Amino acid sequence: DAGITQSPRHKVTETGTPVTLRCHQTENHRYMYWYRQDPGHGLRLIHYSYGVKDTDKGEVSDGYSVSRSKTEDFLLTLESATSSQTSVYFCAISESGNQPQHFGDGTRLSIL
Amino acid sequence: RKEVEQDPGPFNVPEGATVAFNCTYSNSASQSFFWYRQDCRKEPKLLMSVYSSGNEDGRFTAQLNRASQYISLLIRDSKLSDSATYLCVVRPLEGGFKTIFGAGTRLFVKA
Repeated sequence: DAGITQSPRHKVTETGTPVTLRCHQTENHRYMYWYRQDPGHGLRLIHYSYGVKDTDKGEVSDGYSVSRSKTEDFLLTLESATSSQTSVYFCAISESGNQPQHFGDGTRLSIL
Repeated sequence: RKEVEQDPGPFNVPEGATVAFNCTYSNSASQSFFWYRQDCRKEPKLLMSVYSSGNEDGRFTAQLNRASQYISLLIRDSKLSDSATYLCVVRPLEGGFKTIFGAGTRLFVKA
């Protein structure tokens, strides 16, 4: 399995609080992605990164920000969490933009 | 119309059966295609890439039909362990690194 670690694995927090999810990889892959998965929807891309300090928005980026200061770490931040951001969040990595992506175990986030 | 559409199922089949899933995509310029499987409350895992000429991996066969804009996955001799949700994944040529995931097709294989 690809060396991807997401933390925390579970989190419950309140509306309005900031939340940061971490994705750590040991594969030295250039590309990293954050997705959310909700019932009835496919995985939807939030943000992605194509290198250190190089990031771009996905289709559901509103309310989220990311940072990548090292190749191995990609952080997803919810500046002020809302109940609509309750979801399962997956991090993924790929060697290049055209290669298949490999996923971390996911973070289950509940915003009350 | 969704960019990638799959029949949500569920498909209920007995062990040993052959089952096929289709997935249609709307962007004719799509470049890369994949099938992933996802077990309940787990992460998606790559099952196989889909090549223009079709490809096979053991009991699994993937086909691409660009003219009709669909990809298919055939599972032969189904096992109980094949029970999962199968995700169709399409990457358009344009749009940077945008990757579109279907919502998945659920498969239950019963003894």
